[in-house]
Parts: sequence; structure tokens; C-alpha cells
Amino acid sequence: GAVVSQHPSRVICKSGTSVKIECRSLDFQATTMFWYRQFPKQSLMLMATSNEGSKATYEQGVEKDKFLINHASLTLSTLTVTSAHPEDSSFYICSAPQEGRAYEQYFGPGTRLTVT
Amino acid sequence: GENVEQHPSTLSVQEGDSAVIKCTYSDSASNYFPWYKQELGKGPQLIIDIRSNVGEKKDQRIAVTLNKTAKHFSLHITETQPEDSAVYFCAASTGFSGGYNKLIFGAGTRLAVHP
Repeated sequence: GAVVSQHPSRVICKSGTSVKIECRSLDFQATTMFWYRQFPKQSLMLMATSNEGSKATYEQGVEKDKFLINHASLTLSTLTVTSAHPEDSSFYICSAPQEGRAYEQYFGPGTRLTVT
Repeated sequence: GENVEQHPSTLSVQEGDSAVIKCTYSDSASNYFPWYKQELGKGPQLIIDIRSNVGEKKDQRIAVTLNKTAKHFSLHITETQPEDSAVYFCAASTGFSGGYNKLIFGAGTRLAVHP
């Protein structure tokens, strides 16, 4: 149980284009999901909290207009990197706590974004 | 806000030896401390966690200890195996968002277990 998937696993895009990353909870409902970014050999940095049916909550310093988050259903959250630039190249990972369990977070396998 | 420091950054052990990774946190309100294992190119996998009302927790070869007074917690892996080689992250809860705990992560420890 508690499986989280992400799609795509890898994506390469040109500078200036937008990329959408999907995060799905496969065997449980998740009204909340978290999006993280991880640069090579660094730790995970929380970007935002995705809330089903309402606006996402962004961490300080994260541009909400650049990283659009949509949580349209109880099992799907999407992160769109708009007007991507090479400095946006990173490993993007989502996590989801199981409904009603405030503590444990289960992570997806991550999406490697490369902007050329 | 919460800050989590993790040491060492790299750890090399021989197969069968024990490995210990230590973390300290700054926010006395933190009450949940998970440990994650991350293999290359994959997402983090929860391996063990502890809450602030418990001092120690074990799961087979893995154990975690928590000292709330000193604000530090440690991961202990006994009888290490080559498949334990990975990057290990500690984390601490740092308030709520959407009704769930947010986590702040340590910098990670790269563990290498040599046959």
C-alpha cells in the first residue's frame, strides 16, 4: 500500500517552454500532496503544499507563477514549470500522506527535468 | 524556523559493521522524526520514524533514538550489508500545511558498505 507514482520519470525541454509533471496516489486518497525539489547531491527542499480543491500553499522564495500546482482530484496533483530555464533543471519529487494520518509521507520516484 | 543538521556527510563501513548517523534539530515543537533512504535516481523511501513521546524504536537491523532534551536523534544500522549503501536523510516536522505535517530535511549522509 501507500504507493505514489510520478510521470514522466525524465523530461528534457527547451528553454522557454512549459513542462507538466503528474503525481498520483495509486492506492489511497490524498487531499494533500507536497512538492519538493532536489538539486544534485543536495537535500530535498519543500516547494509547496498541494491542496485538493483549493489553492496551493507555496514556501517562501518559491515563485507561484512559475510553478503552477493543480490538485484536481483526490489522487492527482500536477506541477507545471512555466517558461523553464536551465536553472530549473532539477529532480522534482512529490509526496503524499495517507488520508487521516498526519505524519507519514510516501514519496514518488521523482522526475528528472533537464532544460536545454 | 526549523533547522536540521545531519552528520556525517559520508560514511564508509565494512560489511557487518554498524553505522550511526546523527541529526540535531532546532525547533522544540517538532514532534515527528522520520528517516528516509534514497537510492540513486529514485525517490526517498521511509525506513523508520519516531514520535516525540518515544525514546527509541527498532525494526530488525534498524533503530532510531531520540533525545528531546538535547534535540537530537540518531539512526543505527547493525550488521550492514552492501544493499544498505544509499543516501540517508533525516527529517523533522515543522508545522502543518493542509492538515498534515511539513518536513524539513537534513543534508543527507552517503553510506557506503564495502564487502
